[in-house]
This record gives sequence, C-alpha cells and structure tokens, in this order.
Amino acid sequence: GEQVEQRPPHLSVREGDSAVITCTYTDPNSYYFFWYKQEPGASLQLLMKVFSSTEINEGQGFTVLLNKKDKRLSLNLTAAHPGDSAAYFCAVSENTGYQNFYFGKGTSLTVIP
Amino acid sequence: GPKVLQIPSHQIIDMGQMVTLNCDPVSNHLYFYWYKQILGQQMEFLVNFYNGKVMEKSKLFKDQFSVERPDGSYFTLKIQPTALEDSAVYFCASSLGGGDTQYFGPGTRLLVL
Repeated sequence: GEQVEQRPPHLSVREGDSAVITCTYTDPNSYYFFWYKQEPGASLQLLMKVFSSTEINEGQGFTVLLNKKDKRLSLNLTAAHPGDSAAYFCAVSENTGYQNFYFGKGTSLTVIP
Repeated sequence: GPKVLQIPSHQIIDMGQMVTLNCDPVSNHLYFYWYKQILGQQMEFLVNFYNGKVMEKSKLFKDQFSVERPDGSYFTLKIQPTALEDSAVYFCASSLGGGDTQYFGPGTRLLVL
C-alpha cells in the first residue's frame, strides 16, 4: 500500500523566515494531494487540495509544489508568522476506491516571534 | 466552510465498557470516515462508509469496532468492549463524492482507564 513519509517531524523558524515541509509517496496511482493544518486541540483545517495535473499552487502566505516524477509534495510557508505555529499533515489519495487518505506523520512547526 | 460535528468532545470510560462516538456529517455528503490519532502521532484511517455499507477498513478496525448510520442520523463508531489501547482522538470526516475533499470534525478524545 501507499507509504507517505513527511519531513521534518519538528521545525522551528523565526518570524518572517520561510518554512518548508516535504512529503514523499510511493504509489504512482496517487492522484489527489492535500495539506492540512492542525492547531493544538483542534481538528484538521484544509489548506489546499492539489490535483495531479497541477504543479504549483499558491495560497495565502504559502506555496504547494507537486513533483510527480519524484513523487514529492512540499508546502512552503513563505514568511512565517506566529499564527502559523501548528502541526501540518500531508495526505495522499488515489483516484480509485473510496478515497482513503494516507497521512504523513506530521510536522510540528514553531514560529518564534 | 462545511462543518462536521462530533459528540461528545471528551469521553472517559473503564476498560471493557462500550462506547459510542457520534458524528454529524455535512448534510449532503455521502461518504463517511473514521480516523484514529494517538497523541503526537499521525492520523490513521480506520474505516469508510457509503450507501449504508463499510467499503474499506484498515487493520486498526478491530472486530470490537462497528459503524452505522441508521436512517440518515448520526454516523457512529461503536467500540465494544474497549481496551486501553483504544485511548486516542477519533476524527470523523465526510465528503460529497469519492474524490472530493474530506472535511474533518473536531474529534472525540477517548480515554480508556
């Protein structure tokens, strides 16, 4: 089955710096890619959903890159601020079956003011 | 955005007892999911449910687990009997279609003593 590796497990950056989180996956049939943010004690908040046909997606203060050749998905917070401190999870699903999500183990991001 | 509700938010029970976790999915969604997250670890898929049936389940979905959604009411996860290792946060999610974004509830924190 799908294996999703997420790195780093912990990341600490200063306010204004960038923060990059990367996931690699193994299943070439993977089709949908997601980044979720989870603040302490809260549920998962969808940041972005990426399809296989797209490569670069820009959100508010972040960029998601998808490289299907390398089976790599990354989240780049361009100018981190303390409100970005949270756990971030990538998730991958196939275009078959019932869209089970395979999650990465998460990255705990701390942004130091 | 779409809201998934979960009741209760916290539950403490003695090992061996039965527990039912309730999920109120987004009203027009057709696919329902349960995930388990042990503190500090990744989210792990338990089961998905569509058209009144379990479609897929993981090895974490033990024989003591069952799910149902009688007559469009709550989507429930029942554990009977509970074990110490069932202590975790259980997240419910729902999606409109099989390939659509899953929206997560706030989780139920279950502690088995």
